[in-house]
Amino acid sequence: AQTVTQSQPEMSVQEAETVTLSCTYDTSESDYYLFWYKQPPSRQMILVIRQEAYKQQNATENRFSVNFQKAAKSFSLKISDSQLGDAAMYFCAYYSGGSNYKLTFGKGTLLTVNP
Amino acid sequence: EAGVTQSPTHLIKTRGQQATLRCSPISGHTSVYWYQQALGLGLQFLLWYDEGEERNRGNFPPRFSGRQFPNYSSELNVNALELEDSALYLCASSLSWTGWISGTEAFFGQGTRLTVV
Repeated sequence: AQTVTQSQPEMSVQEAETVTLSCTYDTSESDYYLFWYKQPPSRQMILVIRQEAYKQQNATENRFSVNFQKAAKSFSLKISDSQLGDAAMYFCAYYSGGSNYKLTFGKGTLLTVNP
Repeated sequence: EAGVTQSPTHLIKTRGQQATLRCSPISGHTSVYWYQQALGLGLQFLLWYDEGEERNRGNFPPRFSGRQFPNYSSELNVNALELEDSALYLCASSLSWTGWISGTEAFFGQGTRLTVV
C-alpha cells in the first residue's frame, strides 16, 4: 500500500522569507501523481501544485515550487517570499490508478507565517 | 460557477444515533469522493462514487455507507455513531475518475464538522 509521510508537524517562517516543507512516499509503481494541498482555517482544501512522476522537470506555480526526487521518493514544497496568507495546513498527497484512483494524504504540516 | 457544497456545516449527534451528510458536486462532475479528517490523522479515504456506483471504499466499518443519486449528488451515512467518529468530513468532486490525472483536478467542499457526544 502506498504511504505518504510528512515528518514536520509544524513549521514557521518569517514573512518574505523562504520555507521548505518535506514529504516522502512509498510506492512500487512507476506512474503516479503527487500533489500539495493547502487547508486554511476556512477548511476548504485548495490545490497548490501537482507533479506527474513521468516528468523530470520540477513543477512551479508562482511562488510555489517542488523538488521532486523520484529515486529517493521525495517531494518537497518550497514557498518563496512567504506571505501571511500562506499560513495554513499543508498536505502532501499521492495518486495513481494502482491506488484505486484515490488520493492518499500525509498527516499535514501546519505552517505559521510570522510578520 | 458554484463549487462543491456540503450540508450541514456542523452536526452534533449522540452516541448510537445515525448521521447523514450531503454533498453536491460541481455541475458536470460525476465522481464524488468522501474523506474523514480526524484530529492528528490527516485525511483518510472513505468512499468513491462514480456514475451512481460505489467504485472503492477505504478501511472503514460497514456502518459507514453512502450513495450517489442520479444528479450525482451524494450522501454519507454513519450508523451507530461512536465518539471516535467525531471529525471533519470532506467531499470532493471531479470530472469522472480521471479528474486528478487529467489536469482538471478535483475540488473539495468546506466539510461537515460532525461531533458525537
